[in-house]
Amino acid sequence: NAGVMQNPRHLVRRRGQEARLRCSPVKGHSHVYWYRQLPEEGLKFMVYLQKENIIDESGMPKERFSAEFPKEGPSILRIQQVVRGDSAAYFCASSPRISGGYGYTFGSGTRLTVV
Amino acid sequence: GENVEQHPSTLSVQEGDSAVIKCTYSDSASNYFPWYKQELGKGPQLIIDIRSNVGEKKDQRIAVTLNKTAKHFSLHITETQPEDSAVYFCAANLQLNTGNQFYFGTGTSLTVIP
Repeated sequence: NAGVMQNPRHLVRRRGQEARLRCSPVKGHSHVYWYRQLPEEGLKFMVYLQKENIIDESGMPKERFSAEFPKEGPSILRIQQVVRGDSAAYFCASSPRISGGYGYTFGSGTRLTVV
Repeated sequence: GENVEQHPSTLSVQEGDSAVIKCTYSDSASNYFPWYKQELGKGPQLIIDIRSNVGEKKDQRIAVTLNKTAKHFSLHITETQPEDSAVYFCAANLQLNTGNQFYFGTGTSLTVIP
């Protein structure tokens, strides 16, 4: 049973380009979360998605960032017109569709570098 | 929403000594508190968790304690080893109708000195 798969592991983009980060959750998990981690900092919540629904995007910058989790296929975090400040590690996590206490399973992250 | 604070931000211990990391949370409705270990270049890995109906949980050299009244919980690592060196994050859940959402502390960078 594969864990959370993120790709690419490393992504280099020039300023102004688009970055697309992919996340395939654990098989059977229907909840996906994206977090951003700046160097030497903690995990900052960005967005919480279920299949075809955005549940909470309160941590997403209002411009240039979007996320989706379609009925089929991986979740995508999209960053348009990247700037140097977008350089960070982006982690995806998933959890099963149950209430109560259950921890996330994290992927290995995508390290975005904007040059 | 939930606010989680974590201390210390860095911690150095001699191999074999104990390490303690403390967290506080704000939402009294939180009932699940996982701890994650993040090694360099990797994603966070769940190492232990505790639910609000218990006050302590132990797994070999790792233990967690929870004080619901004071809204704080702690991670204890005994007989530390160099491979324990990593960044540790605490988290508290925010229960939604659709599932759980977690808020993380800012992390503790633990260094175990051989």
